[in-house]
Amino acid sequence: KNQVEQSPQSLIILEGKNCTLQCNYTVSPFSNLRWYKQDTGRGPVSLTIMTFSENTKSNGRYTATLDADTKQSSLHITASQLSDSASYICVVSLNDMRFGAGTRLTVKP
Amino acid sequence: EPEVTQTPSHQVTQMGQEVILRCVPISNHLYFYWYRQILGQKVEFLVSFYNNEISEKSEIFDDQFSVERPDGSNFTLKIRSTKLEDSAMYFCASDRSRTNEKLFFGSGTQLSVL
Repeated sequence: KNQVEQSPQSLIILEGKNCTLQCNYTVSPFSNLRWYKQDTGRGPVSLTIMTFSENTKSNGRYTATLDADTKQSSLHITASQLSDSASYICVVSLNDMRFGAGTRLTVKP
Repeated sequence: EPEVTQTPSHQVTQMGQEVILRCVPISNHLYFYWYRQILGQKVEFLVSFYNNEISEKSEIFDDQFSVERPDGSNFTLKIRSTKLEDSAMYFCASDRSRTNEKLFFGSGTQLSVL
């Protein structure tokens, strides 16, 4: 059973719109939760990393939130751009890294 | 920005053949990792390597797999006798510390086993 579940599986939005991606996890305890962006055919690139005691972390137009009580995290993308089209992966770490299956985001003009 | 370099970007091989995937981690990093991603599936951990030995490995990393840091700069993944199900994108990653706070991934090697 995957311990990191992401939703939606895929999402299509128009350029300039905002969107929110969800991550539910059962890994507990954990040391940090991170969001990665993975362009097609490329390696994941770190967007944000939060420890269990942090509630929010921003990186430009990306804002991640964490609710350790409900074991949920979200990644909010503001004013989307065509280059935001990618897979977004939630990863929860304790001694190892548990990857979610990712959300495939497509931004259309 | 420093980067992890992987070669080749694509590798096609016949079933049963040996392949070696190469990685050059970031120079001051001490912790090294291999992950794989089968098309359309999530990234899976294979192995971690520190101080010239394997520190952790997953169930996927069976006797067909081995890793080596032959010369202090390269970090290799060898698959001894490839199977069709080994077809995947293989990512190398490296970090300065055990906490993985600054974990950098390479661009991957796409392995196709025919």
